[in-house]
Amino acid sequence: EVQLVESGGGLVQPGGSLRLSCVASGFTFNNYWMHWVRQAPGKGLVWVSHIKTDGTTTTYADFVQGRFTISRDNAKNTVYLQMNSLRDDDTAVYFCTRGQNGARDFWGQGTLVTVSS
Amino acid sequence: QSALTQPDSVSGSPGQSITISCTGTSSDVGSDNSVSWYQQYPGKAPKLMIYQVSIRPSGVSSRFSGSKSGNTASLTISGLQAEDEADYYCCSHTTRITYLFGTGTKVTVL
Repeated sequence: EVQLVESGGGLVQPGGSLRLSCVASGFTFNNYWMHWVRQAPGKGLVWVSHIKTDGTTTTYADFVQGRFTISRDNAKNTVYLQMNSLRDDDTAVYFCTRGQNGARDFWGQGTLVTVSS
Repeated sequence: QSALTQPDSVSGSPGQSITISCTGTSSDVGSDNSVSWYQQYPGKAPKLMIYQVSIRPSGVSSRFSGSKSGNTASLTISGLQAEDEADYYCCSHTTRITYLFGTGTKVTVL
């Protein structure tokens, strides 16, 4: 059974940093691109970033350029999202998802990031 | 463009068919066949319902179907059931090698 379990969310002050983790199981992790998608409270889904199977290619949404870094450790079946210079509008549930056939076929339950003073 | 355009809400009676549109541009929806659709219940993670415009993943009801014409993709739910009441989002790959979600549509079963 495919499972994606996110962790690392919490309350952080504006300008602060957090690192999210997503541990994958139930599939061959290094065969899949991995994505992060976020959802602000009461709002829609927003794609954040993705990373290639071997970690050599990463892409980001314009609004996180230079502030967030996606990475992966295939030995640990884990994808990360390092978030720096956090702003109030980064408050959201962050979902880890698996990429397949141009879609995101499995999703974790999400981890809540709250940016507030 | 910050998001693909979807209607805020669509409603129908049990047994009816409804269609949700997803409008983008030639740089996203119109650029290739990577449109996907997701169903989300309140407080839950999204679930993939359609990928590559019209393909249903294993386990998804055949009542869900997808199509695309030009820069607009569509999700049709036939034989509407109470359990279909949820939020639905489209998503498309873009020519900038990013992904763009739709604004989301709340489906109400009357």
